[in-house]
Amino acid sequence: DTGVSQNPRHKITKRGQNVTFRCDPISEHNRLYWYRQTLGQGPEFLTYFQNEAQLEKSRLLSDRFSAERPKGSFSTLEIQRTEQGDSAMYLCASSPTGRGSYEQYFGPGTRLTVT
Amino acid sequence: GENVEQHPSTLSVQEGDSAVIKCTYSDSASNYFPWYKQELGKRPQLIIDIRSNVGEKKDQRIAVTLNKTAKHFSLHITETQPEDSAVYFCAASFYNDYKLSFGAGTTVTVRA
Repeated sequence: DTGVSQNPRHKITKRGQNVTFRCDPISEHNRLYWYRQTLGQGPEFLTYFQNEAQLEKSRLLSDRFSAERPKGSFSTLEIQRTEQGDSAMYLCASSPTGRGSYEQYFGPGTRLTVT
Repeated sequence: GENVEQHPSTLSVQEGDSAVIKCTYSDSASNYFPWYKQELGKRPQLIIDIRSNVGEKKDQRIAVTLNKTAKHFSLHITETQPEDSAVYFCAASFYNDYKLSFGAGTTVTVRA
């Protein structure tokens, strides 16, 4: 499968624990995005990278959230001291950087449940 | 920031009929408008997109129209089939920003 992959697919954690998700973009896609989707809503933008540089962060991304893309390939999203309100589907997307390339391709998501 | 509104929230159509979903956006600088289809438990799948220099785009049974003056765009699905049943999301962005602002989604049900 050459699409965007995410691991784990499901994560159940207790409030206060830290969790980390991984995203592997489509090969050679330079831009990588994280979104959060709650039930009955569209995805909400969290942050994005061009290569290893994190270029924008949403105000939704509190200081408990951190994202990295150390070598410009895969990315991780960490949530510290999880809260019940963090329960959501976390989606990763990638897109190529070439001129005129704006299409974003999504991974299957990581569903987080905070108990 | 960009605000995208999508209507209707649910849409039920008879197989073979057409379905139309409408979205409005707030930021006149937005110039890229994709549509995604999301089946239950699956990833959002890009089905068609349109850019601001084009008024209409078609791909087989789906088409998208854009009215930049009125700041709205629509998805049209003709000859609907049961496999068209899904949640459809519209989104908007502008070229130098890249992040997508999504509508709340439309649940389409095609009755056999």
